[in-house]
Amino acid sequence: EDQVTQSPEALRLQEGESSSLNCSYTVSGLRGLFWYRQDPGKGPEFLFTLYSAGEEKEKERLKATLTKKESFLHITAPKPEDSATYLCAVRGGGSEKLVFGKGTKLTVNP
Amino acid sequence: DSGVTQTPKHLITATGQRVTLRCSPRSGDLSVYWYQQSLDQGLQFLIQYYNGEERAKGNILERFSAQQFPDLHSELNLSSLELGDSALYFCASSADTSGQETQYFGPGTRLLVL
Repeated sequence: EDQVTQSPEALRLQEGESSSLNCSYTVSGLRGLFWYRQDPGKGPEFLFTLYSAGEEKEKERLKATLTKKESFLHITAPKPEDSATYLCAVRGGGSEKLVFGKGTKLTVNP
Repeated sequence: DSGVTQTPKHLITATGQRVTLRCSPRSGDLSVYWYQQSLDQGLQFLIQYYNGEERAKGNILERFSAQQFPDLHSELNLSSLELGDSALYFCASSADTSGQETQYFGPGTRLLVL
């Protein structure tokens, strides 16, 4: 069964303090690893899709990387508006559903 | 704004009752997915429809059912509601099931069962 584990559960940073969030996964035939951002009471907002080990994608202060067993979401010089829960999900072979991790709640203090 | 709409935004009802949640996918998207998000379980896949037909089932209770209509909007029906059904219910849509399509999520319906 596909599984996703995210760490840490919560992360508190000062504005400008760079860090990384981890997503470890077990999946049969990876057909995509997805990062979403979710604000309280809102729907997940799509950030990135990664398909193969070695792939990297960037958007503003965020950079996602992928290996065969895990993905990292690097946050460079974060701002308070980056505060949210970041969700990682995988799609395995033979299935269209996404399997989500429980997320990392990021708080960036000014 | 993802382009996926869901109604209602909030729903408060009593145990034993039945409710219907509605989802309109992004223009042109044929696939609709339903997810449940509770505090302890995270986002859990319930069911997927593609162009009107059920495509995949996840952890969906027998008390729950869904359908997708010819205009591609979808409804999730929850019956004999229990306290534990209180959660956020999200709908997502994607263009097709050819392999690598991104799912875009709606704003959700918050269900509270009293």
